[in-house]
Amino acid sequence: KAGVTQTPRYLIKTRGQQVTLSCSPISGHRSVSWYQQTPGQGLQFLFEYFSETQRNKGNFPGRFSGRQFSNSRSEMNVSTLELGDSALYLCASSFFGHNTEAFFGQGTRLTVV
Amino acid sequence: GENVEQHPSTLSVQEGDSAVIKCTYSDSASNYFPWYKQELGKGPQLIIDIRSNVGEKKDQRIAVTLNKTAKHFSLHITETQPEDSAVYFCAASPNTDKLIFGTGTRLQVFP
Repeated sequence: KAGVTQTPRYLIKTRGQQVTLSCSPISGHRSVSWYQQTPGQGLQFLFEYFSETQRNKGNFPGRFSGRQFSNSRSEMNVSTLELGDSALYLCASSFFGHNTEAFFGQGTRLTVV
Repeated sequence: GENVEQHPSTLSVQEGDSAVIKCTYSDSASNYFPWYKQELGKGPQLIIDIRSNVGEKKDQRIAVTLNKTAKHFSLHITETQPEDSAVYFCAASPNTDKLIFGTGTRLQVFP
């Protein structure tokens, strides 16, 4: 069975631009969560979607947004990019949410220059 | 606030020895505790998990123990091999809406 697929794998953007990242969960999984991973802050929760509804949101500015489609695929968008947004962005899929088995994709490495 | 403390931050062992990584959580409502292994350039991989109604769980060379009273849980890897070298993360979930990660342990297994 296919795993979690994130595209693209690598991105280089300029400050002030916006970016959209995509995540296709494991078939049948309805929950998709997004995390930002940096060497200094570790894995930080961005938001979680379940059946197209955002159920929870972490402590990130409004420049970070997301959505989920009816096929459970999810996108996250970062507007007005800052140098500090450079990170590995990971998505995880699960059947019901955080207290069930969650499987991560390979991540999208975003570099802001 | 809610947090998960993880120790040690780095751990070096000889091949064949055991490795133990410890985590402490703050939210007593936490009921699900997964462990992830992350290799360079890859996303975290779920290796084992435990629920609050169980004290210990084993899967081949890997075991996890949970002490709810002390709010501690630990990962034990026996007979370590070079391919066990990676960063390991513990996490705790107090409800369906959150999964709080520890800061990670870099494990190096020397042949």
